[in-house]
Amino acid sequence: AQSVTQPDIHITVSEGASLELRCNYSYGATPYLFWYVQSPGQGLQLLLKYFSGDTLGQGIKGFEAEFKRSQSSFNLRKPSVHWSDAAEYFCAVGAGNTPLVFGKGTRLSVIA
Amino acid sequence: GAGVSQSPSNKVTEKGKDVELRCDPISGHTALYWYRQSLGQGLEFLIYFQGNSAPDKSGLPSDRFSAERTGGSVSTLTIQRTQQEDSAVYLCASSLARGEQFFGPGTRLTVL
Repeated sequence: AQSVTQPDIHITVSEGASLELRCNYSYGATPYLFWYVQSPGQGLQLLLKYFSGDTLGQGIKGFEAEFKRSQSSFNLRKPSVHWSDAAEYFCAVGAGNTPLVFGKGTRLSVIA
Repeated sequence: GAGVSQSPSNKVTEKGKDVELRCDPISGHTALYWYRQSLGQGLEFLIYFQGNSAPDKSGLPSDRFSAERTGGSVSTLTIQRTQQEDSAVYLCASSLARGEQFFGPGTRLTVL
């Protein structure tokens, strides 16, 4: 069965610190992988996408994600977190033009 | 250009009433998706339209839920005889073939 696991429900980091949000997936075919961000009361904004090829996906706002096929992981990273990064982050997997399967999300809090 | 729009932004209804939620996708996008976001359940796929093909209704939770897409553009999600467990944020997304999905701001449905 297709599934996405985000093991961390809530993470708190200090502003300026590095960030890693974990995502593991189970998918039968070669997956298309996505990270979306959702601010309170807002819709989902695409942060980055990964289709194939390189192991690193580059996104907006300084985010990147590393694809590790052997670990079925697609972890999101940012070298230095800003207070405006506080939001809910969703990892999702699909097959290109199919409904996405989402993880439950990780809520990021940023403290001064 | 304009993004995905949804209306109404908020809907409060009484148990047993029917509701209609509207989605205007990005012009030219061939695929349209409906998802539901609720506490404890995360983001769940409901229904998917691709061009003129028959929709994929595999995610609809009951026969009280239906959706149509007119002229390959605007879509309406209808929930009949609403129940309190239908309370959620209903998100619409659209995409080009094999492209990333762009989400609307959602409709928050509250069933009293």
